[in-house]
Amino acid sequence: NAGVTQTPKFQVLKTGQSMTLQCAQDMNHEYMSWYRQDPGMGLRLIHYSVGAGITDQGEVPNGYNVSRSTTEDFPLRLLSAAPSQTSVYFCASSYSGTSGRATDTQYFGPGTRLTVL
Amino acid sequence: SQQGEEDPQALSIQEGENATMNCSYKTSINNLQWYRQNSGRGLVHLILIRSNEREKHSGRLRVTLDTSKKSSSLLITASRAADTASYFCVRISNFGNEKLTFGTGTRLTIIP
Repeated sequence: NAGVTQTPKFQVLKTGQSMTLQCAQDMNHEYMSWYRQDPGMGLRLIHYSVGAGITDQGEVPNGYNVSRSTTEDFPLRLLSAAPSQTSVYFCASSYSGTSGRATDTQYFGPGTRLTVL
Repeated sequence: SQQGEEDPQALSIQEGENATMNCSYKTSINNLQWYRQNSGRGLVHLILIRSNEREKHSGRLRVTLDTSKKSSSLLITASRAADTASYFCVRISNFGNEKLTFGTGTRLTIIP
């Protein structure tokens, strides 16, 4: 198993540009989520999904869109990049069982380091 | 806010000593998990303790949970240089909430 993969590893954007961060997992996990991590801070939840076709907002959703058309993939779209979105982005997935809730061990990808100029 | 606190924010100890980190939270939990993050890398799961458990061991790690005080501690015994990392506790809410809550972490430095 490859686990959780993220692409790209690094990205530099100009203000106003759009892009998609890719996240994929091969563990058949129902729950997937996106976090951002800023210096000296913990991870903050951007968006999450409890299964294909279902997404919801986290703590800091503004400026980001997500979709979940398959169980495996959960891309994060930056609509119009801003310097405030400079951060490291992590995708995670977990098994959620019959509850549909993210109660189990989270598996994290290696992260995407994004710089917006 | 459900966000709790890790304490201390930073900890430096000599190799071979024990390291203790604490985590507090505000609302009832389903379980609490500890993760390690090496510099510039993703988070790695260390241990999960459920709300009906009081103590759990995994190798050199010992986690305790006191639901009456809404706190948990992570003990790393016989520390090694490779334990240098940031450690986060993650609270899983007991109220049908799928949102995991991270603290700001404890930065642990092991001095060889």
